[in-house]
This record gives sequence, C-alpha cells and structure tokens, in this order.
Amino acid sequence: EAGVAQSPRYKIIEKRQSVAFWCNPISGHATLYWYQQILGQGPKLLIQFQNNGVVDDSQLPKDRFSAERLKGVDSTLKIQPAKLEDSAVYLCASSPMSQETQYFGPGTRLLVL
Amino acid sequence: KQEVTQIPAALSVPEGENLVLNCSFTDSAIYNLQWFRQDPGKGLTSLLLIQSSQREQTSGRLNASLDKSSGRSTLYIAASQPGDSATYLCAPRSGTSYGKLTFGQGTILTVHP
Repeated sequence: EAGVAQSPRYKIIEKRQSVAFWCNPISGHATLYWYQQILGQGPKLLIQFQNNGVVDDSQLPKDRFSAERLKGVDSTLKIQPAKLEDSAVYLCASSPMSQETQYFGPGTRLLVL
Repeated sequence: KQEVTQIPAALSVPEGENLVLNCSFTDSAIYNLQWFRQDPGKGLTSLLLIQSSQREQTSGRLNASLDKSSGRSTLYIAASQPGDSATYLCAPRSGTSYGKLTFGQGTILTVHP
C-alpha cells in the first residue's frame, strides 16, 4: 500500500513570497490533516478535512494560510504572504476515519529568509 | 484546551537498557492515545494506539500503558538498541467526534552501542 505523498520536500523562499504544498493521502482515507512542526516542538494541527469538508481549522492563521481538498482526495496548503516564523516542517497525514490511526507523509521543510 | 507534557526531554542510554518515557495530559476526556516515532528529517510513524478503555498495549519490545483518570501514559522500551534512537511523541486524541490529536514536544532518545 502506497503511503502519504508530499511535495516538494524542501522549499526556500523570501519573506512576503507565496508557497504551496501538495499532499496525496492513502487511497480510500476519508480524513486528511495538515500539521505545522516548528523545530523542537511537536506537530500542531492546522486543518482537518473529512472528505472535502473542513471539520477543524481553529489553529489555521486564516489571514495568510489557506487549504483545499478538491474531490475529497488530494490537498494543497498555501501560504501568502510568508513570514519568517512560518519556517517549519509541514506534515500531511491521513486516516480511514477521524478516530483511527493517522499515517504521516515525509513532510515539506520550509525555510523563509 | 489539551496540554501535553513529555518527560524527559532527552535521554541517552547504553544499548540493552530498559527505558520508560512519560507523557502527561491535562484533559482526561480522551478517545485514545497514540505513540509515534520520528526519525530526523522524516515524518511520524505510529507505534502504538491505546484505546481509552484499555490499560496496556504491546508491540514487540514496546509496551504502552494508559491511566486516563490521572492523565498519564508511559512507553516502555525493553532491551534498547541503537536503532531505537529517534524522537518519541505521544498524542492523546480528544473525545469529540472529529478526534483531534494534540502532541507533546517529544523525548529525544539516543541509544549508544
């Protein structure tokens, strides 16, 4: 079974630029998550989708971050404009349903200069 | 708001030792709790998922216990090996229908030969 795929793996941008990350979850998984992990901390949930609907985006900085999950499969997370404090690893995860084991992708490491 | 604390923050042991990693959480109304492993530059790998009704869960040399009422979980690693070196994260899942995971900051484990 293929795992969660993410791209790109690394991204370096200047502050105030925009960036987008892509995630392809495990086939058949209804729930998709985006996490932000700052160095030395545990992951923090940014947004959770159930199929293509948002069920939790309480910690998403909506003035600059946006996410979508078209057709309930792939998802993109966008930052516009980026700030220095957005430097982190962005992890995507999926699970068959919301209460079940989450499977994580390798992450996208973002550096904002 | 759930808060998760992991102790110790870092641990360095010789090969062969038995280890205990501790996790405490403030909101005991959880659905289950997951322990993850994270290798440098990689995503998270689920190790064990223990349901709120369970006291223990075992997988190979790993054993997780849960005391929901006191807000504590421990991960026991028997006969540690250098390949066990990684960051270990615990994440209780909320009891709401969408099951948000809240992560601790992790314990960095180094097992030296």
